[in-house]
Amino acid sequence: AQSVSQHNHHVILSEAASLELGCNYSYGGTVNLFWYVQYPGQHLQLLLKYFSGDPLVKGIKGFEAEFIKSKFSFNLRKPSVQWSDTAEYFCAVSNSGGGADGLTFGKGTHLIIQP
Amino acid sequence: DTEVTQTPKHLVMGMTNKKSLKCEQHMGHRAMYWYKQKAKKPPELMFVYSYEKLSINESVPSRFSPECPNSSLLNLHLHALQPEDSALYLCASSQVSGWETQYFGPGTRLLVL
Repeated sequence: AQSVSQHNHHVILSEAASLELGCNYSYGGTVNLFWYVQYPGQHLQLLLKYFSGDPLVKGIKGFEAEFIKSKFSFNLRKPSVQWSDTAEYFCAVSNSGGGADGLTFGKGTHLIIQP
Repeated sequence: DTEVTQTPKHLVMGMTNKKSLKCEQHMGHRAMYWYKQKAKKPPELMFVYSYEKLSINESVPSRFSPECPNSSLLNLHLHALQPEDSALYLCASSQVSGWETQYFGPGTRLLVL
């Protein structure tokens, strides 16, 4: 079975600070990796994903993540955060098989950006 | 259009009631999902439909009964629920592959009394 671990459950930063949110997964096979964001009162939406190729992926709103296979990690980064980045961030994994597969989510990181 | 709609937005039901949650998408996706999200917790997968057939059931109690009448619609029929079933129920859709982006609806917030 897959599992996802997010190291930081609550993070508070000031605007313009750099952000790194940790994510590790455990699964014996090949996986697809995702970061989803849930802004207050809004739907879950995709920030970025990795399934193959360049391990450094860029997403929306200036976010990026790096897949490090040897460390089973997929950490999310942003060089300079804004107040509008306040949200809940979820790392998720799915099976890399051919069919549809549900997402297994980490417990989430609640990020608060102080102006 | 990348929208997944869910109705109703809120639902209060007693333990003896029967109700249904509805989900609709018009993105041509052939995979649809139900997730359950308790407060301050991540979403947990309940069911996956692929080409209108149930492909994954995460050992969900039989008081939850999913139905996919066509490729655009997904229902979740509820019967004899327990107070601990109170949660936000999320629907999502995607193309049929594990690496495809899942698009989530806003959810139905269910309270079981």
